[in-house]
Amino acid sequence: KNQVEQSPQSLIILEGKNCTLQCNYTVSPFSNLRWYKQDTGRGPVSLTIMTFSENTKSNGRYTATLDADTKQSSLHITASQLSDSASYICVAYNQAGTALIFGKGTTLSVSS
Amino acid sequence: TAGITQAPTSQILAAGRSMTLRCTQDMRHNAMYWYRQDLGLGLRLIHYSNTAGTTGKGEVPDGYSVSRANTDDFPLTLASAVPSQTSVYFCASRPSIEAFFGQGTRLTVV
Repeated sequence: KNQVEQSPQSLIILEGKNCTLQCNYTVSPFSNLRWYKQDTGRGPVSLTIMTFSENTKSNGRYTATLDADTKQSSLHITASQLSDSASYICVAYNQAGTALIFGKGTTLSVSS
Repeated sequence: TAGITQAPTSQILAAGRSMTLRCTQDMRHNAMYWYRQDLGLGLRLIHYSNTAGTTGKGEVPDGYSVSRANTDDFPLTLASAVPSQTSVYFCASRPSIEAFFGQGTRLTVV
């Protein structure tokens, strides 16, 4: 069964600290994986995409990794800011691109 | 740039009443989707359309219907609303890989 599991479910960190969010997927055949950020009361917005052959990709203070062998991805946030408080959703795509498998998200709260 | 526009932003609806949630995109994307998002359950696919004139059922289609008369519009209709349909509804479209989401419609069925 195609599935995406995220951990932790929620996380509270102090401003300026780093954190890492995890995503495990069982999607076959797998094509690529994308991380979305969803601010409260808004729709999800794409942060980064990881294809099958990519291991690491950065977008500012966000760095995503992908291990296709263990079917794991992580999103690392460096020097967190209050504006990073949001829900982060991992989405895996099947090879045909016809199915988007959503994780339930990790809710990150950054406090001052 | 407008992107995807959903209307209304929020609505309180009496049980048993019908309602249509509107979704319009100006990006000429072929694929469009309707999701509902509930606490602890994440985003779940209700219906989708790969191209104008075609629609398909997602994970939780019961109680909902859609139509895709043209590329830009993808309305979602609740024929007879029930309290379990209280949720936040997101419309999305995508040209290939990246999905673009609307701002959501918060629906409360009482």
